[in-house]
Amino acid sequence: EVQLVESGGGLVQPGGSLRLSCAASGFTFSDYFMDWVRQAPGKGLEWVGRSANKRKSYATEYAASVRGRFTVSRDTSKNSLYLQMNSLKTEDTAIYYCVRGFNSFDSWGQGTLVTVSA
Amino acid sequence: DIQMTQSPSSLSASVGDRVTITCRASQGISRALAWFQQKPGKAPKSLIYDASSLQSGVPSKFSGGGSGTEFTLTISSLQPEDFATYYCQQYDNYPYTFGQGTKLEIK
Repeated sequence: EVQLVESGGGLVQPGGSLRLSCAASGFTFSDYFMDWVRQAPGKGLEWVGRSANKRKSYATEYAASVRGRFTVSRDTSKNSLYLQMNSLKTEDTAIYYCVRGFNSFDSWGQGTLVTVSA
Repeated sequence: DIQMTQSPSSLSASVGDRVTITCRASQGISRALAWFQQKPGKAPKSLIYDASSLQSGVPSKFSGGGSGTEFTLTISSLQPEDFATYYCQQYDNYPYTFGQGTKLEIK
């Protein structure tokens, strides 16, 4: 069974940093693209960024709204995906979901809430 | 960026009804279109990919169609558990983009 468990969310001040983690299990982690998708309170879904699979050299892509501030990475020895978020803005407040990028987005974690506020 | 527009934004229907939600892309995306269901306080659930392929375990009451710029999600014989918000998403080009959502409510 595919499982994705996010952690690392919390309250951070504007301009601060936070690193989210996603522990993956139930599949061969290096074979799959992995994504981050976020949802601001009461709003719709926004794709944040992705890490390609091993065959694609774990290449990354980002939404324009986070490019240069956020970094997606993975540690295959720990079957973990990460989202390093720097220079956080109030508009980054959202639930962040870790998603497996197979057949579009076939499996989602439960999400972790990031609140950016003074 | 490719803009995805869903219609309607909200929809009231009764148990047993059949409903159709439309998603339009601002440019052609072939069949790189997915549909998701989200219930309050829960993560989205994948229903359909490649415009019309059901994800594993999704009941056949859900069906998708279309290609290019216009797509549909049809839900037959609505049950109480189907009342939720539905999103379309294109994955033809980066950045991947979602529709604004369609809230399906009980009449």
